Amino acid sequence: TQLLEQSPQFLSIQEGENLTVYCNSSSVFSSLQWYRQEPGEGPVLLVTVVTGGEVKKLKRLTFQFGDARKDSSLHITAAQPGDTGLYLCAGEVTGFQKLVFGTGTRLLVSP
Amino acid sequence: EAGVAQSPRYKIIEKRQSVAFWCNPISGHATLYWYQQILGQGPKLLIQFQNNGVVDDSQLPKDRFSAERLKGVDSTLKIQPAKLEDSAVYLCASSLGAVRAYEQYFGPGTRLTVT
Repeated sequence: TQLLEQSPQFLSIQEGENLTVYCNSSSVFSSLQWYRQEPGEGPVLLVTVVTGGEVKKLKRLTFQFGDARKDSSLHITAAQPGDTGLYLCAGEVTGFQKLVFGTGTRLLVSP
Repeated sequence: EAGVAQSPRYKIIEKRQSVAFWCNPISGHATLYWYQQILGQGPKLLIQFQNNGVVDDSQLPKDRFSAERLKGVDSTLKIQPAKLEDSAVYLCASSLGAVRAYEQYFGPGTRLTVT
């Protein structure tokens, strides 16, 4: 059974600070996705990384896939209150066309 | 393009009662997923359909949960009888198909409270 552990579980910071969220597993994934979920809504896809070592940037968000395709990180520069939400990583299980979701990181950015 | 639709948005029932949730995926999406999300945790896959066939239902508690996707479009998830631990958000997602399984689009979910 593939498991994805995220850390930290909860992060409360001030506007303008930087932060990094980690997503770790002992399993290899075909691809890895990051989602953000706001209260009362479903997760929204932010990015997909496919190649080991791949780095993708989305404005102030930087996503990296580990060389061995077992882990990933999300770095936010100069966080804003609009970044508040539940961040979820999800790994695509090789050969099964399904996702395994991480445990989630709840981010609160205060003005 | 319309997104994934779910109804109802909220439901409160007593334990041992039954409940049903409905999902309409994005038009043309062959694959449909039902997830259970406990508050503050990541979604857990309950069942995956490819068109109207079940691909994976290994984590579906089949003694009380059932799901169907007639005609390969809409889907219904049912719980009978409900238990307290079934309180969660039930999310429906869809994707184009097997080759792009990672691009899943989620509905807003149904929040179920079992008292």
